[in-house]
Amino acid sequence: SQTIHQWPATLVQPVGSPLSLECTVEGTSNPNLYWYRQAAGRGLQLLFYSVGIGQISSEVPQNLSASRPQDRQFILSSKKLLLSDSGFYLCAWSVTWTGTSYEQYFGPGTRLTVT
Amino acid sequence: KNQVEQSPQSLIILEGKNCTLQCNYTVSPFSNLRWYKQDTGRGPVSLTIMTFSENTKSNGRYTATLDADTKQSSLHITASQLSDSASYICVVSAWSGGGADGLTFGKGTHLIIQP
Repeated sequence: SQTIHQWPATLVQPVGSPLSLECTVEGTSNPNLYWYRQAAGRGLQLLFYSVGIGQISSEVPQNLSASRPQDRQFILSSKKLLLSDSGFYLCAWSVTWTGTSYEQYFGPGTRLTVT
Repeated sequence: KNQVEQSPQSLIILEGKNCTLQCNYTVSPFSNLRWYKQDTGRGPVSLTIMTFSENTKSNGRYTATLDADTKQSSLHITASQLSDSASYICVVSAWSGGGADGLTFGKGTHLIIQP
């Protein structure tokens, strides 16, 4: 069976500090990978998605970047955090896109608080 | 612009009672509609996914309906339990033609079950 891991579970960082959130998927190959942010009282916002190693697409211009160094590893980073980066960050995976939207499976999330 | 509107924003019901959550969407071209359950501080978990040709789908005490003509969906919860307390998110997928699944997320309905 497939599992998706995220860490850390919670993180408190000062403004201006760097960020690195990691997501890994087990039990599947060549998944599509996604990073979402969920702010309080708002819906999920897609930040980045990846269809393969080194292939990253950004949905929203922002202070964040993403990388996919391995097939089942997805990293969300920032060089300098802003207060507005606070939120609940979710990683998700789906089977390789072939023209029809497939079910997405979400990780447990990382609660980021920027102080 | 693709949009998903959910109502009510929040709902409180007594344990054992039934309830219905609503989702209206303006997403085109429509591919499928999903309902997710998100416990506080956790990642969303899929309840149902329906394509254009399906107008009802059940998952235990959860029954989703879809009217593609009026672009409305509902999620009916029968004999509610305390564990049903969560946010319920409606997600509509547009045919994205090569992009990231073309998902539009609703802001969710926050459901509280009281004993």
